[in-house]
Amino acid sequence: GESVGLHLPTLSVQEGDNSIINCAYSNSASDYFIWYKQESGKGPQFIIDIRSNMDKRQGQRVTVLLNKTVKHLSLQIAATQPGDSAVYFCAENSRYSGGYQKVTFGIGTKLQVIP
Amino acid sequence: DTEVTQTPKHLVMGMTNKKSLKCEQHMGHRAMYWYKQKAKKPPELMFVYSYEKLSINESVPSRFSPECPNSSLLNLHLHALQPEDSALYLCASSQFPGLEARSSYNEQFFGPGTRLTVL
Repeated sequence: GESVGLHLPTLSVQEGDNSIINCAYSNSASDYFIWYKQESGKGPQFIIDIRSNMDKRQGQRVTVLLNKTVKHLSLQIAATQPGDSAVYFCAENSRYSGGYQKVTFGIGTKLQVIP
Repeated sequence: DTEVTQTPKHLVMGMTNKKSLKCEQHMGHRAMYWYKQKAKKPPELMFVYSYEKLSINESVPSRFSPECPNSSLLNLHLHALQPEDSALYLCASSQFPGLEARSSYNEQFFGPGTRLTVL
């Protein structure tokens, strides 16, 4: 199930099931959207990105869907494994007026895989 | 070498201390970043260095002073910090600062962070 409150939103999934992590973004001018995975004690690790003119992109066991109409992004993980347990952040890539890249992270979702 | 390293891993300092965080990458990346991450929160951008020059300062208090001695190194000098500055400080690098890579996402590679506690 999913819970939101004082703690990080958490999604609990049975090992082997598919996981879907959702994210809402705010900046319609963002040109890329990225999913990062952050394991305990580590920095964020790039998983997959999607350009703003696409609506779906697939990687190895992961799929990202982008719905610009409702400013919604999702990450689907197939056959979730214990090693997928981590905090997942969606992020928007936009640009400062000088062209420099700015990545803005969403609030994050903690994925717990139940063996 | 495809990693970003950060030292120290943990740091405890008093409000009157002066300390420095260090970050290093040997991927030939020309952009480097400092982020601050509070517990259960997303990383927040602090500074962007592009070709060893400070390009972006996200209104960070002057008690945080970044320095880029060369293209592989990035420091964050800390002085007179407050307890609320306690956080995980993340360094990242990317091949370009964004100006050149207009047609693709310029992936940022993150280090493991320095866990800072200010007493």
